[in-house]
Amino acid sequence: RKEVEQDPGPFNVPEGATVAFNCTYSNSASQSFFWYRQDCRKEPKLLMSVYSSGNEDGRFTAQLNRASQYISLLIRDSKLSDSATYLCVVNTSPTGNQFYFGTGTSLTVIP
Amino acid sequence: NAGVTQTPKFRILKIGQSMTLQCTQDMNHNYMYWYRQDPGMGLKLIYYSVGAGITDKGEVPNGYNVSRSTTEDFPLRLELAAPSQTSVYFCASSRTDYTEAFFGQGTRLTVV
Repeated sequence: RKEVEQDPGPFNVPEGATVAFNCTYSNSASQSFFWYRQDCRKEPKLLMSVYSSGNEDGRFTAQLNRASQYISLLIRDSKLSDSATYLCVVNTSPTGNQFYFGTGTSLTVIP
Repeated sequence: NAGVTQTPKFRILKIGQSMTLQCTQDMNHNYMYWYRQDPGMGLKLIYYSVGAGITDKGEVPNGYNVSRSTTEDFPLRLELAAPSQTSVYFCASSRTDYTEAFFGQGTRLTVV
């Protein structure tokens, strides 16, 4: 079983739409959680950390459900510039000392 | 602030050749990582280091070696390049083992 699983998409949505991505992780000892954004042929960049109580950063909202081992990212009022691949990342430290990456969910926002 | 810097950005190797991918960070991070990313796949950890002088294998270490003589530098060595090592390689660093990782711009390696 993969450490982190994401729906690869692609998601094609019109500008202004709300879109949600989901991610599940297998290791219940996982300690920290992130969403990264990766543009085509570029390095991953941190979008936001995910906290147990849920957190919001402008149009982006992240949620964590430890009982179901599930992470989500909600993007409201989608912009053309949101088009990218979104990576779910889980850190299993102290048992693993490494980040596990999902394969990513592709989003294209259409004019 | 440069962050994580990788060189080269692109390289074509012949089968059996060797090379070193350079990675340096100026954030004084203890933790450094090497990942490879193949098309349609998630990033796979090759090696990581928790501080100068300490390295450990990740998920896909075969065919690679690393060293960590200083906090700043974490080079990745390919000794006998094989076509299966054609990939995009990312170096990353993090302040602790549970805080976010920062990535270099990547090295696109093709082995022919």
